[in-house]
Amino acid sequence: DGGITQSPKYLFRKEGQNVTLSCEQNLNHDAMYWYRQDPGQGLRLIYYSQIVNDFQKGDIAEGYSVSREKKESFPLTVTSAQKNPTAFYLCASMVPGELFFGEGSRLTVL
Amino acid sequence: AQSVSQHNHHVILSEAASLELGCNYSYGGTVNLFWYVQYPGQHLQLLLKYFSGDPLVKGIKGFEAEFIKSKFSFNLRKPSVQWSDTAEYFCAVKGRSQGNLIFGKGTKLSVKP
Repeated sequence: DGGITQSPKYLFRKEGQNVTLSCEQNLNHDAMYWYRQDPGQGLRLIYYSQIVNDFQKGDIAEGYSVSREKKESFPLTVTSAQKNPTAFYLCASMVPGELFFGEGSRLTVL
Repeated sequence: AQSVSQHNHHVILSEAASLELGCNYSYGGTVNLFWYVQYPGQHLQLLLKYFSGDPLVKGIKGFEAEFIKSKFSFNLRKPSVQWSDTAEYFCAVKGRSQGNLIFGKGTKLSVKP
């Protein structure tokens, strides 16, 4: 089935460690996105990429990094510089008119 | 800068009650508008969208939304809610020349059986 696969679904890490969240899509979409969802805050854009080898910062990019070496893959690294990394992370891809979301990755930093 | 405001944080209704969730946006140009829903334990999915044409848009599961340009609003409605509509609802806007969607903070809907 076509869709977006995020892994892992749950992740626990110690403070100070970098963490990479995986996002893979087989929808052949050019544009991909990372959002962070916190209770009462809605979805806030971290990074997005409209084409391979290119990406732009969103509203809350500090402490995060991404790469887009392949069309189907858009991994997100949560670095130790991110002050409040515990959150639910959503990856999405878009065709004109609609965002398709993965099931999310819940990161807890202990 | 674009922004989206959803008026209610948490709405509690009884089954068969009518629903209206408010959404206002700020953006100076032409926009595309969306409502997404997140059922408990599930991923976000599109309820409905407006690009152009008839400002009254019908979506899945009996939902509809009306785009009122003069009020910068895109309110979501359903005449009679069911317990299965319990979810979090997000309004989103995308400027035509922009590459990303801006989301509101969401409204939790709880429907009592």
